[in-house]
Formats: sequence, C-alpha cells, structure tokens
Amino acid sequence: GQNIDQPTEMTATEGAIVQINCTYQTSGFNGLFWYQQHAGEAPTFLSYNVLDGLEEKGRFSSFLSRSKGYSYLLLKELQMKDSASYLCVDSGGGADGLTFGKGTHLIIQP
Amino acid sequence: DAGVIQSPRHEVTEMGQEVTLRCKPISGHDYLFWYRQTMMRGLELLIYFNNNVPIDDSGMPEDRFSAKMPNASFSTLKIQPSEPRDSAVYFCASSPRGSGMGNEQFFGPGTRLTVL
Repeated sequence: GQNIDQPTEMTATEGAIVQINCTYQTSGFNGLFWYQQHAGEAPTFLSYNVLDGLEEKGRFSSFLSRSKGYSYLLLKELQMKDSASYLCVDSGGGADGLTFGKGTHLIIQP
Repeated sequence: DAGVIQSPRHEVTEMGQEVTLRCKPISGHDYLFWYRQTMMRGLELLIYFNNNVPIDDSGMPEDRFSAKMPNASFSTLKIQPSEPRDSAVYFCASSPRGSGMGNEQFFGPGTRLTVL
C-alpha cells in the first residue's frame, strides 16, 4: 500500500528558512514529487527526486532518502507569497497516477 | 497554450441531480487524470486515461461516478445521482507522458461542486 505523512501546518518568518518533512511507504517506488498549492488554486509542480540526494532549484531544494522512505522540501529566503500548501507526492505503485499527501499548510509571518 | 481547461468552474446542484464536469487537456498530452479534493481526504486520484483509454479507475468511489474520453481533446466526469458527500473540488490534469519518469502533471483550475 501507499501512505504519506507530513505535518499539517507550519509557521515561519519572512526571510527565514523552513524545512517540510515527508515520509512515505510504497510497494513500488518511482520517485517523489513536491507540488505547491495556493488557496483556491490548482497544484503546481515544484520538484522531482528519484535518486538519493539533494536537488536545488533557486530558493527551493528537495532531498530524498530512498532507504529511509524520507524526503524534505527546503525553502530559503521565505517570501509572503510562499504561504501555501506543500504536497508530498508519491509516484509509486506501478501506475502512472500520483498519490498525494494531505499537504502541509505553510504560514509566513512578517 | 491555454493550459488545461475545465468547465464549469462552479456548480451548485440538488441531491439526486446529474452532474457533468468537462475537461480539455493540453494538446499533445497523452495522459489525462481526474482528481477530487476535500479537506478531510486531501487530493485523491479518481481515474486516469492514456491515449483516451481508461487505465486505472480504482479510485472512482462507486457506480454513481463515470468518466469518458471520446477523443484526445475532451473528457467528462459524470455523477448520477449526485449526493451531498460528493461536494468537493474536482481537478483535471494532463501530462505528456506517465508520472513514472518524473513527468509533471499540469492541473486545470478545478470545478467546485456543491450538492445541496
């Protein structure tokens, strides 16, 4: 089966750094995605990891450890517009569909 | 490109009525996905198509739900009869290839369905 765990809510300060953790359990792993979803909008793609290690893309980085079933999304130099939900997404199970976590609601304070 | 197009954006209906949601994927994308999002359950995959053929409908809640893709540029999700517990935001997404190789899915704006 597939199960994704991530914190429900986090709060951080503008200009700071925040790390959002995700653990997953899947019977067939094909990589892990992170999506961002602003309130009332559709999810949008942030990153994809299939190999262990850190992938950096501007202010956002994503890390994966396959042996531990663990990933995190790191956001640097936080801006108010980063207030959104961040969805950890598993593409395992032998299918082309995605299994979404319930998301972490990130609140940025001035 | 206009992106994934969904209609209607909002739908309010009464219990027992038929509801049809529509989606136009991005041209050239071989995969089309239907998702449902609620506060309680998050984003759930209902069904997906590859080259207009349904591949996995294991997420469809029950027989009241059906989906079709008559051609590469159009898909429908139908609920008949609708019930209040079907109230949710329904997203359509498309991708050029499957997710297994890290291919991004592009989401439409969603249809917010309220069943009274």
